[in-house]
Amino acid sequence: EVQLVESGGGLVQPGRSLKLSCAASGFTFSNYDMAWVRQAPTKGLEWVASISTGGGNTYYRDSVKGRFTISRDNAKSTLYLQMDSLRSEDTATYYCARHPPGLNWFAYWGQGTLVTVSS
Amino acid sequence: DTVMTQSPALAVSPGERITISCRASESVSTLMHWYQQKPGQQPKLLIYLASHLESGVPARFSGSGSGTDFTLTIDPVEADDTATYYCQQNWNDPLTFGSGTKLEIK
Repeated sequence: EVQLVESGGGLVQPGRSLKLSCAASGFTFSNYDMAWVRQAPTKGLEWVASISTGGGNTYYRDSVKGRFTISRDNAKSTLYLQMDSLRSEDTATYYCARHPPGLNWFAYWGQGTLVTVSS
Repeated sequence: DTVMTQSPALAVSPGERITISCRASESVSTLMHWYQQKPGQQPKLLIYLASHLESGVPARFSGSGSGTDFTLTIDPVEADDTATYYCQQNWNDPLTFGSGTKLEIK
C-alpha cells in the first residue's frame, strides 16, 4: 500500500525557516517524480514544487522561487521541502504527492502537515 | 497562469445525475484531471486525462471535455459524495487547480 507521511509543520515567525519531510513507503520511491502541493485554510489547492526521480530537475511556482528548496533522499525514501524567508501567505497545509511516471498529475497524496507563519 | 473557473457550490438529492463544470482560460488539450476532497481529508484522484477513470473509483464518476471546457459527471449521486471537487490542468506551466466546487447532498 502506498503511504506518504508528512512531518515538520508547526508555528513559525515571518522571515524564519522550516523544513518539511515526507516519508514514503509501499513503492519504489526512486522511480517516481514527487511534489509538494499546499492548501491555505479554507482555500483551494496550489502546486508548490516538483522534483524528478534522481533529484536533478526541480520546478517551483514563481512565488516560492529562491525561498523554497525541494530535495529528496532516495536511500531513505524521503522527500523534503526547505522553506526559508517564510511569509504569512505561506500559511497552509502542505501535502506530499506522487506523480505517475513522467506525468503531471497526482495519483497519491499524504495527509498533510500544517504550517502557520505568524508572529 | 491558466485560470480554471468552477461554479462554487451545488446542492442535490441522492440519486440525481449531476455535472460539475470547469472552464480553462486557455486551451489545455485533454490534460485535465479531477480530484475529490472530503472534509478534513487529502485530495483523491478521480479522473485523469479528461475522461479516464482512476483505478478503484466507482463507475458513477465520469469525465469529458477538451480544449477549454470540461465536465465531471456523477450518476447517480450518493450521500458519501459530499466533498469539494477540483479540476487541475498540466498543459501550461505552472500546473494549476480550479477553485473547487462544493457538493452538498440534501
